Amino acid sequence: DVKVTQSSRYLVKRTGEKVFLECVQDMDHENMFWYRQDPGLGLRLIYFSYDVKMKEKGDIPEGYSVSREKKERFSLILESASTNQTSMYLCASSPLYGNTIYFGEGSWLTVV
Amino acid sequence: EDQVTQSPEALRLQEGESSSLNCSYTVSGLRGLFWYRQDPGKGPEFLFTLYSAGEEKEKERLKATLTKKESFLHITAPKPEDSATYLCAVQGDTGFQKLVFGTGTRLLVSP
Repeated sequence: DVKVTQSSRYLVKRTGEKVFLECVQDMDHENMFWYRQDPGLGLRLIYFSYDVKMKEKGDIPEGYSVSREKKERFSLILESASTNQTSMYLCASSPLYGNTIYFGEGSWLTVV
Repeated sequence: EDQVTQSPEALRLQEGESSSLNCSYTVSGLRGLFWYRQDPGKGPEFLFTLYSAGEEKEKERLKATLTKKESFLHITAPKPEDSATYLCAVQGDTGFQKLVFGTGTRLLVSP
């Protein structure tokens, strides 16, 4: 069964803190993604990666960075958290030439 | 720019009352149209991928259809456990496996 695991489900961080969101997939997928989901705005792509150490900006990369040191792991980094980054963050993965993208359970981040 | 519009925003049905959700889209070179189900506080769960106009797929009480401009998710004789938000997304040929999502339809099925 497809499994994308986000290690932290609920986090509360202070403004200015550095925040790491971790994601691991066990399907040997080449592609991994980070989305954020906000009411009324739907899911928006922050960054994606199609290979180890490779990354590409999505639609809203400002204020975020990513790291992919191993194929199964994709981390989202908020260098200096701000209140407008309070959101639900979704990690996803897919095979290199496959169309279907599989999502994790999500990480709820609140920045106070 | 690829766009997806879902309607209605919310839908309340009685158990057994069939209905349809709409997903209208504009995309440069459709590579796939996706339906996901999302329960509160959880990530989207994959339901269907449709690739070309005229294609249909079914899973239990759900049936997805596709035309050149829109997709429908038909729900036949729904049960309370079908209550969820249903998301539609498209993948065009301009973005590497990038999905563009609609804002979803919140479905509530009452017993």
